[in-house]
Amino acid sequence: KAGVTQTPRYLIKTRGQQVTLSCSPISGHRSVSWYQQTPGQGLQFLFEYFSETQRNKGNFPGRFSGRQFSNSRSEMNVSTLELGDSALYLCASRLEVNQPQHFGDGTRLSIL
Amino acid sequence: TQLLEQSPQFLSIQEGENLTVYCNSSSVFSSLQWYRQEPGEGPVLLVTVVTGGEVKKLKRLTFQFGDARKDSSLHITAAQPGDTGLYLCAGAYLGAGGTSYGKLTFGQGTILTVHP
Repeated sequence: KAGVTQTPRYLIKTRGQQVTLSCSPISGHRSVSWYQQTPGQGLQFLFEYFSETQRNKGNFPGRFSGRQFSNSRSEMNVSTLELGDSALYLCASRLEVNQPQHFGDGTRLSIL
Repeated sequence: TQLLEQSPQFLSIQEGENLTVYCNSSSVFSSLQWYRQEPGEGPVLLVTVVTGGEVKKLKRLTFQFGDARKDSSLHITAAQPGDTGLYLCAGAYLGAGGTSYGKLTFGQGTILTVHP
């Protein structure tokens, strides 16, 4: 059974640009959550989508947004990139509420 | 704001030694997960604990969930170099409506190095 797939694995952008990251959940999983991982702050929750609806949102500025498609695939967008957005962005999926989350290997975003 | 305190941050031990990692919060978890992460990869789920007082074993790893569901520990017996990695605890808290809606709160992690 395929795991959570994130693309691209690596991305280099410059300040002011925008970026879109993609996540394909485990087959049958309808919940997708996004996290940002940095050395200083650790893993922080961005948002969760379930059946194309955002159900929960972390404390990130409005530059961070996401969406989910009818096939449960999800995308995350960051606009007007800042140096501090450099991080590993992780996507996780789960089968149902209160089930554990399974993570992809992330997208490493570097801002120059 | 829920906080999850994980300790220690760093552990450097010799092969064959035992170790314990702790995870504490002032809030009650609905469930708690332990993950292990290696460089360049995403966190891999080790275990989920749900019931207060629960103990789960995974080969040389023993996971405990506190009776009050506010703390957890990971104990590794006879550590091996292959155990080297970042260990993360992550708690799901009950929010309004009784679910956590996919938000995990993570501890800062424990970087474990096991020397041969």
